[in-house]
Amino acid sequence: DQQVKQNSPSLSVQEGRISILNCDYTNSMFDYFLWYKKYPAEGPTFLISISSIKDKNEDGRFTVFLNKSAKHLSLHIVPSQPGDSAVYFCAASVGGTSYGKLTFGQGTILTVHP
Amino acid sequence: KAGVTQTPRYLIKTRGQQVTLSCSPISGHRSVSWYQQTPGQGLQFLFEYFSETQRNKGNFPGRFSGRQFSNSRSEMNVSTLELGDSALYLCASSLRGDREAFFGQGTRLTVV
Repeated sequence: DQQVKQNSPSLSVQEGRISILNCDYTNSMFDYFLWYKKYPAEGPTFLISISSIKDKNEDGRFTVFLNKSAKHLSLHIVPSQPGDSAVYFCAASVGGTSYGKLTFGQGTILTVHP
Repeated sequence: KAGVTQTPRYLIKTRGQQVTLSCSPISGHRSVSWYQQTPGQGLQFLFEYFSETQRNKGNFPGRFSGRQFSNSRSEMNVSTLELGDSALYLCASSLRGDREAFFGQGTRLTVV
């Protein structure tokens, strides 16, 4: 039972354009969501997070949008840069009782072309 | 501020052996979680320790165990290794285990 899904295995974008990565979840108990970036053979790097009491959070070029009714979140990267090329994972937790457990999606490979 | 440190980075073991992996969390972080990443299953939660107590456990067999020391450093042990245990093992630390977690570089375990 995959509670967090990233339905697009890959995304290709031109440098300077917007990258939009999507994530859907099924567990209505999730109330905290995170995005991580990962290079091969390295650990994930935390990018940005959002609590379920918000519908948008921004940090520089990265913005996360949360649509609770649709159980959907997205990560926007503007403008995209070649250094953004990596695997992006969304993750979710149940606040207060998750005790360190993040549930991850399968990841989306982002390629930004110069 | 130093990040999460995992040792060793790479390991090759034989089936049936056991292995111990180490994780030093970010200073001040008391929660340490362990994950297994494989191409087929993605990132799977193994267990979490907070103040030397296991608070949460994923769906892995008892061959996978861990512990946490008073300085928050954690070790993970896998006994009777199987070929399917070959994976990238990741450790993540956080303040309390309920928000952002920061990952180490991982230990690549290969079982032959």
